Amino acid sequence: GNSVTQMEGPVTLSEEAFLTINCTYTATGYPSLFWYVQYPGEGLQLLLKATKADDKGSNKGFEATYRKETTSFHLEKGSVQVSDSAVYFCALSDGPGGGNKLTFGTGTQLKVEL
Amino acid sequence: DTAVSQTPKYLVTQMGNDKSIKCEQNLGHDTMYWYKQDSKKFLKIMFSYNNKELIINETVPNRFSPKSPDKAHLNLHINSLELGDSAVYFCASSATRTRTDTQYFGPGTRLTVL
Repeated sequence: GNSVTQMEGPVTLSEEAFLTINCTYTATGYPSLFWYVQYPGEGLQLLLKATKADDKGSNKGFEATYRKETTSFHLEKGSVQVSDSAVYFCALSDGPGGGNKLTFGTGTQLKVEL
Repeated sequence: DTAVSQTPKYLVTQMGNDKSIKCEQNLGHDTMYWYKQDSKKFLKIMFSYNNKELIINETVPNRFSPKSPDKAHLNLHINSLELGDSAVYFCASSATRTRTDTQYFGPGTRLTVL
């Protein structure tokens, strides 16, 4: 079956530090890959996505590249802000055969301090 | 206008009761989902409907029954509530079942069973 593994949190960084959150996946088909963000007390928002190998998703200074050879989709940001504090989820979708359900990683809590 | 809305936002009830959670999307999407987020923030698919047809039914107790009266609505009814049902339930929708489609999430319903 499909699975997503992401690094354990919490991750605590100082403002303007570089962020990497690792994500690797196992899939039987050819999935699309997503990063979702959950701010405290809110639902999930799409941060970025990539739908084929070597695609780079980017949004609000965050980036992730779909690496088929290493089955990875690591999230990066060059300079984090306090407002980036949230829980970040890596997820994959394998399409109609699997009903297009999202399979999520366990989430990584990010805390950014001044 | 809220794209995906859920009611209620909070639900506190006693064991053994029956309760419902309602979801509505105004995005014109064909596909809707229910996810459960446990106390460790792990998210798992429960059900999915496409054009009012059930297409995903994960290993969920049959005390949980989804109903889709039309494409814009997906409700979740839970019978004989148990302590372990306490969680945050998220509704989501996507334009189609294609793996590249983004899923848009509602704000969640926090269910507490006493």
